[in-house]
Amino acid sequence: GAVVSQHPSWVICKSGTSVKIECRSLDFQATTMFWYRQFPKQSLMLMATSNEGSKATYEQGVEKDKFLINHASLTLSTLTVTSAHPEDSSFYICSAHRGGNYNEQFFGPGTRLTVL
Amino acid sequence: AQKITQTQPGMFVQEKEAVTLDCTYDTSDPSYGLFWYKQPSSGEMIFLIYQGSYDQQNATEGRYSLNFQKARKSANLVISASQLGDSAMYFCAMRENTGTASKLTFGTGTRLQVTL
Repeated sequence: GAVVSQHPSWVICKSGTSVKIECRSLDFQATTMFWYRQFPKQSLMLMATSNEGSKATYEQGVEKDKFLINHASLTLSTLTVTSAHPEDSSFYICSAHRGGNYNEQFFGPGTRLTVL
Repeated sequence: AQKITQTQPGMFVQEKEAVTLDCTYDTSDPSYGLFWYKQPSSGEMIFLIYQGSYDQQNATEGRYSLNFQKARKSANLVISASQLGDSAMYFCAMRENTGTASKLTFGTGTRLQVTL
């Protein structure tokens, strides 16, 4: 159990276009999901916390108008990178929170975005 | 100040030997959780082990054990009987306020290479 999927697993787009990434918890409900970004050979940096039915909370320095987050249901959160530019190329990883012994976060497999 | 510090950018270990990956943390919150994740080249984040700040005993999960020294604020990961498949990036992470779906803060990671 506790599987989190992401779609797409990789995407290449032209500069100026928008890209939507989906994060789904497949076998549990997640009131909270997190979006991370990871540049090559670097650590995961939290971008925002996504709560079902409310606005996302963004970390300092993350542009909320550029990285639109929608947590439409207890099993789905989406991240839309608007007007993508080459510097947005990165590995985007989501995680879904499930309550329990550890209040664990289960991570999706990640989405590699390349903006040309 | 860094909340999570991993001072070893890279480590080598011979197959079947044990290896310790260092992690120190900084928090003023009395209630926190410490995690270790493995990230192979595919990018997925694999949960390895968890230690709660109030846990009396060091956590163990199979070949993984966590050497938790609270006074020193260290949470080193010990991998026993290393296998070639253990070659990956390893991230230490901390969650403060364990009662809620709180965000994780990651260290910069250690790349482990297991050799024959």
